[in-house]
Amino acid sequence: DGGITQSPKYLFRKEGQNVTLSCEQNLNHDAMYWYRQDPGQGLRLIYYSQIVNDFQKGDIAEGYSVSREKKESFPLTVTSAQKNPTAFYLCASSYGGRGREQYFGPGTRLTVT
Amino acid sequence: KQEVTQIPAALSVPEGENLVLNCSFTDSAIYNLQWFRQDPGKGLTSLLLIQSSQREQTSGRLNASLDKSSGRSTLYIAASQPGDSATYLCAVDDSGNTPLVFGKGTRLSVIA
Repeated sequence: DGGITQSPKYLFRKEGQNVTLSCEQNLNHDAMYWYRQDPGQGLRLIYYSQIVNDFQKGDIAEGYSVSREKKESFPLTVTSAQKNPTAFYLCASSYGGRGREQYFGPGTRLTVT
Repeated sequence: KQEVTQIPAALSVPEGENLVLNCSFTDSAIYNLQWFRQDPGKGLTSLLLIQSSQREQTSGRLNASLDKSSGRSTLYIAASQPGDSATYLCAVDDSGNTPLVFGKGTRLSVIA
């Protein structure tokens, strides 16, 4: 089945630890995106990548890092510098170019205590 | 900066009712507008995508319209069912640096 997978579904970490969220797609999409969702707020863009080995900061990139070494994979690292990391994280992908439909993964809920 | 607003924030209707969800955006220079559905604790499911050159799109009981000049879109749901209960989000792809700008969503409850 084609789609986007995110793992794990739930993740718990202690404050001060870095944590990496996985996102894989087998849709042959060029572009991939990471969003953060908080209660009562819309989705906010963290990072996006339109091609392998290239990525751009979104609206709330501080405290996060990404890599895009393979077309299929776009992992997100939440660093200890992120002041409020507890949230629902969503990965998405689309074919390249503007105006393309985005498809979303099931999300990872990160809780940092 | 593009801003997307969805009104109402929450809506509760009896089963079988036709309903309209609203989405407005501040900058009309958009590539497309996309409507999504989100169930609690889940990812987003794309419902309809309207290109900037289109006026509406239909899928089953769903119809989405776009009036780019006035910065508005509506999602019409016919003959609502309890299974339609979810949060509905709209997002615009505009000419700025951010690929999609999302509204905060409308939480719909359809009561049997």
